[in-house]
Amino acid sequence: LAKTTQPISMDSYEGQEVNITCSHNNIATNDYITWYQQFPSQGPRFIIQGYKTKVTNEVASLFIPADRKSSTLSLPRVSLSDTAVYYCLVGHNNAGNMLTFGGGTRLMVKP
Amino acid sequence: SAVISQKPSRDICQRGTSLTIQCQVDSQVTMMFWYRQQPGQSLTLIATANQGSEATYESGFVIDKFPISRPNLTFSTLTVSNMSPEDSSIYLCSVGAQGPGANEQFFGPGTRLTVL
Repeated sequence: LAKTTQPISMDSYEGQEVNITCSHNNIATNDYITWYQQFPSQGPRFIIQGYKTKVTNEVASLFIPADRKSSTLSLPRVSLSDTAVYYCLVGHNNAGNMLTFGGGTRLMVKP
Repeated sequence: SAVISQKPSRDICQRGTSLTIQCQVDSQVTMMFWYRQQPGQSLTLIATANQGSEATYESGFVIDKFPISRPNLTFSTLTVSNMSPEDSSIYLCSVGAQGPGANEQFFGPGTRLTVL
């Protein structure tokens, strides 16, 4: 089963770019990589998903190297409101690992 | 996406009692899930709520303690039975995105339960 490993916490300052890396050495061929954001007292919110190379949306970019054993969530020019916990999940078809949340990365953005 | 509401948003209960949490979705969905998130911790999947059949529980969770109903494709309930302080947690329902290759989930706001 694909297990994910992320840093427990990260600090940043407003306006900086933040990159959070997730390791998933045992990713399967048909697995997707999905990132969620969770603010205090709210449910997680889907932010981005990818299979390979690079995906970009209005919120973030996701970089996936050719071997797919890791991925990097990139948040451009963070603000205080980006302070949250970020979770990386690996799996497919809303089953198994796709439903398994690891420890997440607690991002603190400072003024 | 889907809009999900939960009731109640929070409750304080006495040990030994039971609480039923409701989850309502604004559209028909095939897959619904219930999670628990203890203070400062990550989310743990309790069960998958199956429409028209018994829920599928994860290791460590049993039907007697967490009975689940799924009467239709837009609604589910989770009951926390015979509560103890260890059940104090946030309970979240989620739904799986629909369509081929869909892998993301959409979460409700959660129900914050405190057991005294």
